[in-house]
Amino acid sequence: DVKVTQSSRYLVKRTGEKVFLECVQDMDHENMFWYRQDPGLGLRLIYFSYDVKMKEKGDIPEGYSVSREKKERFSLILESASTNQTSMYLCASHALGGYNSPLHFGNGTRLTVT
Amino acid sequence: KNQVEQSPQSLIILEGKNCTLQCNYTVSPFSNLRWYKQDTGRGPVSLTIMTFSENTKSNGRYTATLDADTKQSSLHITASQLSDSASYICVVPYSSASKIIFGSGTRLSIRP
Repeated sequence: DVKVTQSSRYLVKRTGEKVFLECVQDMDHENMFWYRQDPGLGLRLIYFSYDVKMKEKGDIPEGYSVSREKKERFSLILESASTNQTSMYLCASHALGGYNSPLHFGNGTRLTVT
Repeated sequence: KNQVEQSPQSLIILEGKNCTLQCNYTVSPFSNLRWYKQDTGRGPVSLTIMTFSENTKSNGRYTATLDADTKQSSLHITASQLSDSASYICVVPYSSASKIIFGSGTRLSIRP
């Protein structure tokens, strides 16, 4: 079974702090994603990576950056956390050519910025 | 505009009853549609995939349908159980591996 592990379930940070969210997958998947999930808005794509050191902006990249130095690890960085970044963050992965393969999600990190 | 819309937003039913969740999509070109279940505090997990040529597919007490002409899919749950309480999300990919459109989900609550 594919396992996607997010390092923290809950985080509380102060406005202006730099925040790192870590995600690791164990199935050698090429594609990895970071989403945020807010009530009534569904999942929105922040960044996507299709290979080591490769990344694409998603629909809402402002205020975020990512790092993928190793295939299994994809990090989301909030350069200067703001209260409107309080949300549930979900990491996901799927195999190359993933049109017909499911996304495998981590259990999420609930981030609160005060 | 590519969109996926789900209804109802939320639903409460008694344990043992059946229910049907709806998903309408306007995504082109269409390849497949997938239903995910998201338990509280967990990430979504794939329940089933419907490809263009499929009309009906069952996975235990879950039955998904697809009408590619009307661009509608449904997820029918039979003899609901408390463990079915979750959000159900309809997802349609298009054009590339990163282009995936999510519905906003239906929150289903099963009452004993």
